Amino acid sequence: AQSVTQLDSQVPVFEEAPVELRCNYSSSVSVYLFWYVQYPNQGLQLLLKYLSGSTLVKGINGFEAEFNKSQTSFHLRKPSVHISDTAEYFCAVRSGNQAGTALIFGKGTTLSVSS
Amino acid sequence: EAGVAQSPRYKIIEKRQSVAFWCNPISGHATLYWYQQILGQGPKLLIQFQNNGVVDDSQLPKDRFSAERLKGVDSTLKIQPAKLEDSAVYLCASSLSQSTTQYFGPGTRLTVL
Repeated sequence: AQSVTQLDSQVPVFEEAPVELRCNYSSSVSVYLFWYVQYPNQGLQLLLKYLSGSTLVKGINGFEAEFNKSQTSFHLRKPSVHISDTAEYFCAVRSGNQAGTALIFGKGTTLSVSS
Repeated sequence: EAGVAQSPRYKIIEKRQSVAFWCNPISGHATLYWYQQILGQGPKLLIQFQNNGVVDDSQLPKDRFSAERLKGVDSTLKIQPAKLEDSAVYLCASSLSQSTTQYFGPGTRLTVL
C-alpha cells in the first residue's frame, strides 16, 4: 500500500525567506508524485508533478520540487516566499501503473508567511 | 475553459437527515472522483467513475453513502442518514482519463449538527 508523510504540520516563515516543505512516501511500485495548494475556502490547485525524467520539477508560482528515489522524498521548495503563498500544501502519490489511479494525500502542511 | 463546478458550497444539516451534492466536471473529462476532506487531514477518495461506470468505491461507506454519474457527465453524491462524523469538505475532481492530471472543484463544506 502507498502512503504519504508530510513531516511538518505547520511552517511559519517571514516574507522573502526561503522555504522547504518536506514530503516522504512509501510504495512498492513506481509512483507519480504531486504537490497541490489549497487556499482558504477553495479547492486544490496543482503546483507541480513528477511523472518521469528529470528529478527536479518546476511548477507554478516559483515553486520547485526534487524527486529523490533513494530517500523516497519529494520536498517542495521556494527560494523567496510572498505573503500570498500562505496556504495549505498537500503532497500526493499515485501508482505509476494503471491499476490504481486515485491520489493518496498527506495530511498537509500549513505555510504561514508573515511580514 | 470552465473548471469543475460544485454545489452547494455550504450545507448545514442535523444528524439523521439526508443531503446531496452535485458536481459538473470539466467538459470532455471521462474520469470523475469524489474525495472527503476532514478538517486537519488530506483528501481521501470515496469513489471514482470512468464515464458512467464505477472504477473504485472501496472506501465509500455504502450503508449511508451513494453516488451516481448518469450519462457519464454530472455526478451526485448522497448521504442518508448523515452522522456527526460526516462533517467534512466534499471535493469533486475530474481528469481526461484515469492516468492524467486531476482538477479539483471548490468543494462543498458539510456541517452535521
